Amino acid sequence: AQSVSQHNHHVILSEAASLELGCNYSYGGTVNLFWYVQYPGQHLQLLLKYFSGDPLVKGIKGFEAEFIKSKFSFNLRKPSVQWSDTAEYFCAVEGTGKLIFGQGTTLQVKP
Amino acid sequence: KAGVTQTPRYLIKTRGQQVTLSCSPISGHRSVSWYQQTPGQGLQFLFEYFSETQRNKGNFPGRFSGRQFSNSRSEMNVSTLELGDSALYLCASSLAGESSSYNEQFFGPGTRLTVL
Repeated sequence: AQSVSQHNHHVILSEAASLELGCNYSYGGTVNLFWYVQYPGQHLQLLLKYFSGDPLVKGIKGFEAEFIKSKFSFNLRKPSVQWSDTAEYFCAVEGTGKLIFGQGTTLQVKP
Repeated sequence: KAGVTQTPRYLIKTRGQQVTLSCSPISGHRSVSWYQQTPGQGLQFLFEYFSETQRNKGNFPGRFSGRQFSNSRSEMNVSTLELGDSALYLCASSLAGESSSYNEQFFGPGTRLTVL
């Protein structure tokens, strides 16, 4: 069965710090990979996605993620976080027609 | 273009009752998926409907059911509610076609269900 593991449940950073959120998945076949974000009081929205091609993908708001197939990983990065990045971040994998989400990481950015 | 809408936004029920939640997808989207979000279990896939047929199903008991209408609107029903069914229920729509190749899902605001 597919599963997704996010390494950090709660991350606290100061503004301008760099961010890396870990995500590992287990699935033997071809997968599509996603990072979603849920800002306080808002809908879940897509940050970025990987379907194929360049394993380094860029998303909205300066986020990027790297797919490393050999490590079954899809880590999210941002060089310099802002207070407005405070949100919950979800890694998700699709391999059988349904999205499987990780448990989520709450990011708190201190001004 | 209007986003995914869900009604009602909040609902309070008691154990043993049943509940129906509604989802209107983005215009032109024919695939609708449902998810349950709880603090303990996170986001879990319930089922996906396409062209009025359930195309994919998660690991939930038969008390959870759904349907889709010809206009792609979808409803989810939970019968014999349990305390553990308290959750945020999210609906997502996509342009996924008959081949079931994956397309980006757009999420609605959710229905917050509280079971007392």
